[in-house]
Amino acid sequence: DQQVKQNSPSLSVQEGRISILNCDYTNSMFDYFLWYKKYPAEGPTFLISISSIKDKNEDGRFTVFLNKSAKHLSLHIVPSQPGDSAVYFCAASAREYGNKLVFGAGTILRVKS
Amino acid sequence: DAEITQSPRHKITETGRQVTLACHQTWNHNNMFWYRQDLGHGLRLIHYSYGVQDTNKGEVSDGYSVSRSNTEDLPLTLESAASSQTSVYFCASSESSSGNTIYFGEGSWLTVV
Repeated sequence: DQQVKQNSPSLSVQEGRISILNCDYTNSMFDYFLWYKKYPAEGPTFLISISSIKDKNEDGRFTVFLNKSAKHLSLHIVPSQPGDSAVYFCAASAREYGNKLVFGAGTILRVKS
Repeated sequence: DAEITQSPRHKITETGRQVTLACHQTWNHNNMFWYRQDLGHGLRLIHYSYGVQDTNKGEVSDGYSVSRSNTEDLPLTLESAASSQTSVYFCASSESSSGNTIYFGEGSWLTVV
């Protein structure tokens, strides 16, 4: 039973446009959410995070939105660049579970120039 | 610079053999994790440790073991390798008190034939 779901296996976006990656979760105990980016043959790298006490966190071109009532979060990349092409993993954790991260299956983002 | 390194980066082994993947971090992090990445499943937690002499089973621990004799290392052992254990393995670490952001190594590609 996947507690963190990324229902879009892939997404293709034109350079300069907005990329929106979505993530849904089922466990209401999750209180911290993260996005990781992964290039081929490399380890995942931390991108941005958000605590459950917030509904938005912004870092440069990257913004994460959290909708707790819908158990949904999204990552917006504006403007998208070819170097953003990678696999993006959504992850969630709960203090009650020792803060271990639970990951979604990932979304492959391709930014076309 | 502090870092987390994995070895070997690539290995081919035969079914039934014992295999050990090494993980070494120089951040002095208390928390260390092993994940495997498979298509359609994202990153799944195998084992984790919150400190020296502490080890815990994750979501997919069957057939794997870890030991934590010092802060820097968390080797992952496949007791008797099976074809189902062909995967990419990522080691990760985090500070105890820095929220839940974890930092990954570059991965070990294991093929069991």
